[in-house]
Amino acid sequence: DQQVKQNSPSLSVQEGRISILNCDYTNSMFDYFLWYKKYPAEGPTFLISISSIKDKNEDGRFTVFLNKSAKHLSLHIVPSQPGDSAVYFCAAMAGDSNYQLIWGAGTKLIIKP
Amino acid sequence: DAGITQSPRHKVTETGTPVTLRCHQTENHRYMYWYRQDPGHGLRLIHYSYGVKDTDKGEVSDGYSVSRSKTEDFLLTLESATSSQTSVYFCAISDFERDYNEQFFGPGTRLTVL
Repeated sequence: DQQVKQNSPSLSVQEGRISILNCDYTNSMFDYFLWYKKYPAEGPTFLISISSIKDKNEDGRFTVFLNKSAKHLSLHIVPSQPGDSAVYFCAAMAGDSNYQLIWGAGTKLIIKP
Repeated sequence: DAGITQSPRHKVTETGTPVTLRCHQTENHRYMYWYRQDPGHGLRLIHYSYGVKDTDKGEVSDGYSVSRSKTEDFLLTLESATSSQTSVYFCAISDFERDYNEQFFGPGTRLTVL
């Protein structure tokens, strides 16, 4: 049973518009969440994270929102740029898990010119 | 970029043969991880290490073993490769005193078991 779910395998967005990627989780013990970006033939790279004590974290064009009651987080990219085309993974960690990350299946974001 | 290399980058082998993948880091990070990535599954943790000679199983450890005799090297061994182990394997490192919960990834090894 997947504890972290990214229900959209792919998303297509016009350049300059907002991209919203969603992630749902089932384990209420998760207390830290991360987003990673992955280009083909490369390893994932860290993008942004959020602790469960916050509901929003912002870094430049990237903002992550956390809704603990709904067990839902989202990544907003504004404005979307062609270089944002990649696969985005959501990952979660529980404080007592010896730093193990549980990953979603990923969403492929395509930015159209 | 964090100094993480993986070798080999690509390997084709036959069912039943042993395979060892190597992860090497130059960052002196305490934690090292092996993941596999398959379509529809994201990344799944195979084994991880929290220090020299200290390892533990992850979510999909069956058929895999690991060893860490030095801080900088983490080896993943498939004792007898099967076709179900065809995948892309990623190594990651982390050091929570420096980087909080972030993990840094190597470039990956594409393994094909025929």
